Amino acid sequence: AQSVTQLDSQVPVFEEAPVELRCNYSSSVSVYLFWYVQYPNQGLQLLLKYLSGSTLVKGINGFEAEFNKSQTSFHLRKPSVHISDTAEYFCAVTYTGRRALTFGSGTRLQVQP
Amino acid sequence: GAGVSQSPSNKVTEKGKDVELRCDPISGHTALYWYRQSLGQGLEFLIYFQGNSAPDKSGLPSDRFSAERTGGSVSTLTIQRTQQEDSAVYLCASSFSGEDSPLHFGNGTRLTVT
Repeated sequence: AQSVTQLDSQVPVFEEAPVELRCNYSSSVSVYLFWYVQYPNQGLQLLLKYLSGSTLVKGINGFEAEFNKSQTSFHLRKPSVHISDTAEYFCAVTYTGRRALTFGSGTRLQVQP
Repeated sequence: GAGVSQSPSNKVTEKGKDVELRCDPISGHTALYWYRQSLGQGLEFLIYFQGNSAPDKSGLPSDRFSAERTGGSVSTLTIQRTQQEDSAVYLCASSFSGEDSPLHFGNGTRLTVT
């Protein structure tokens, strides 16, 4: 069965520091990968997605992620975070022929001044 | 434009009662999903509708859970004989067809079973 692992449930970081949120998936077939963000008291929204092509994907708010097929990873990065980036971040995967997304358990990013 | 709308936003019910949760997807979106979000547990897939195809019910946790989508638009998730472990936020999402189409989520219904 397909699964997504987000090893870090919480990541505290100071403002303007870099951050990496880790995501690993299990699948032996072609996958589509997504990161969603849930700001406090708001619904989930798409941050970025990898479908094919360049393994480095850029999203909204300065975030980017790199698809690494050999390591089955799709880590999310930002070189300098802001207080407003405080939110819960979810990695998700689907594969060709299977429409429903499988989500990870989420990582709560807490940006401190 | 209007996003995905869910109602009610909050629902408190007694154990053993039935509940209905409603989802209005974005107009033109053919795909509709229900997920459940429990504290610290991420999003658990429940059911997926795509056009007129048979729904993918593989995520429904028990036969107390059912869902329908009328006219390819509004969907209702029904939980019969609710249990305390059903307490969670129930999220609906819609999208265009295609595996690469991003999901647009509603704000969810917070269900509390007492």
